[in-house]
Amino acid sequence: AQSVTQLGSHVSVSEGALVLLRCNYSSSVPPYLFWYVQYPNQGLQLLLKYTSAATLVKGINGFEAEFKKSETSFHLTKPSAHMSDAAEYFCAVSHSGGYQKVTFGIGTKLQVIP
Amino acid sequence: EAQVTQNPRYLITVTGKKLTVTCSQNMNHEYMSWYRQDPGLGLRQIYYSMNVEVTDKGDVPEGYKVSRKEKRNFPLILESPSPNQTSLYFCASRAGTGGNEQYFGPGTRLTVT
Repeated sequence: AQSVTQLGSHVSVSEGALVLLRCNYSSSVPPYLFWYVQYPNQGLQLLLKYTSAATLVKGINGFEAEFKKSETSFHLTKPSAHMSDAAEYFCAVSHSGGYQKVTFGIGTKLQVIP
Repeated sequence: EAQVTQNPRYLITVTGKKLTVTCSQNMNHEYMSWYRQDPGLGLRQIYYSMNVEVTDKGDVPEGYKVSRKEKRNFPLILESPSPNQTSLYFCASRAGTGGNEQYFGPGTRLTVT
């Protein structure tokens, strides 16, 4: 069984401030972890993924995430928020066994305040 | 250009009138999946397919059907739509294993009255 918890369905930050979106996962086997972004009226696109290589993963648009096994976390960060970062962000977990089901979190809407 | 296409993008229909939402991908991906997105619930998987003629239920399959007769196409069928199926639907495809990213279509917003 696997699950994802995203803490905070809405997060507001000022332009130029640190972005921190939290994701905790549960998985009985080594996980694959993903962050996807959804801009208004669009589908989801991949920001970054962890697949058991480096624990610090760099993605597009200046985002990065760190896999911490001891904390079962995969938080998404960006040092300085831009207005264009306003979107909904989804954390997802999968693994190599079975049919490799992907489980998504409920999403976090990021608002960037000018 | 690698892409997943869905049609229609918007659909308003009435209870009980059968409808089909089409999904097509041009990346030769084995794995395809349908999700519905509802506020506060994130994305929930409806059905998935590991390859041609291989489909299985996801987390919320009730009221939906799928078929996979060709590798590129994975239509979602609502035989008798009900208002609780009003939602935003996404098709996605992926190559091979669970460590690969999914490519999502643009979404279909369905309203059932």
